[in-house]
Amino acid sequence: NAGVTQTPKFQVLKTGQSMTLQCAQDMNHNSMYWYRQDPGMGLRLIYYSASEGTTDKGEVPNGYNVSRLNKREFSLRLESAAPSQTSVYFCASSEAGDRGNYGYTFGSGTRLTVV
Amino acid sequence: AQSVAQPEDQVNVAEGNPLTVKCTYSVSGNPYLFWYVQYPNRGLQFLLKYITGDNLVKGSYGFEAEFNKSQTSFHLKKPSALVSDSALYFCAVRDDNYGQNFVFGPGTRLSVLP
Repeated sequence: NAGVTQTPKFQVLKTGQSMTLQCAQDMNHNSMYWYRQDPGMGLRLIYYSASEGTTDKGEVPNGYNVSRLNKREFSLRLESAAPSQTSVYFCASSEAGDRGNYGYTFGSGTRLTVV
Repeated sequence: AQSVAQPEDQVNVAEGNPLTVKCTYSVSGNPYLFWYVQYPNRGLQFLLKYITGDNLVKGSYGFEAEFNKSQTSFHLKKPSALVSDSALYFCAVRDDNYGQNFVFGPGTRLSVLP
């Protein structure tokens, strides 16, 4: 089925460990996003990529890095995990390159716990 | 800057009764407004959107929303709630003066009681 695929679905890290969250979409969307979801705070944008070859910071970028590997793939890396990064992470994609009126298609999320 | 508020953390309604989930927004330009639903352990799913045109927008699963410019609101409604509508609902807004990214509200948990 077409959509956004995230891996892994669950992960437990120790403080200071690193990991990369993977995201791939097969809808030929231009834009991709990484959000984190915390109780009572909704979704907060970490980084986004408006088009292949570009990335920009969102609302909460500290402690994260991203790579837009190609049009399909957008990865999120935690270099040195901290307990404050315990969250559910969602990848999303959109047709919008600039000023589009399209909604987002979301992946099913990665539940990350940092101990 | 754009912002969106969902004033209720939780909404409880009996099955068969009408439901309303509230959303208010703040933008400097024209708003693009979306509603998403999230079921347990799933990603967000698109419900409906307002871009321009009729103030009453119809979406998936019998939901609708009314855009009210004077009250800067975009409340989600359904005439007759189902137990299966129980989920977390997010309102999102984009200001056409501020590029393509949306701002999401904190979410409202809807519980439909049998």
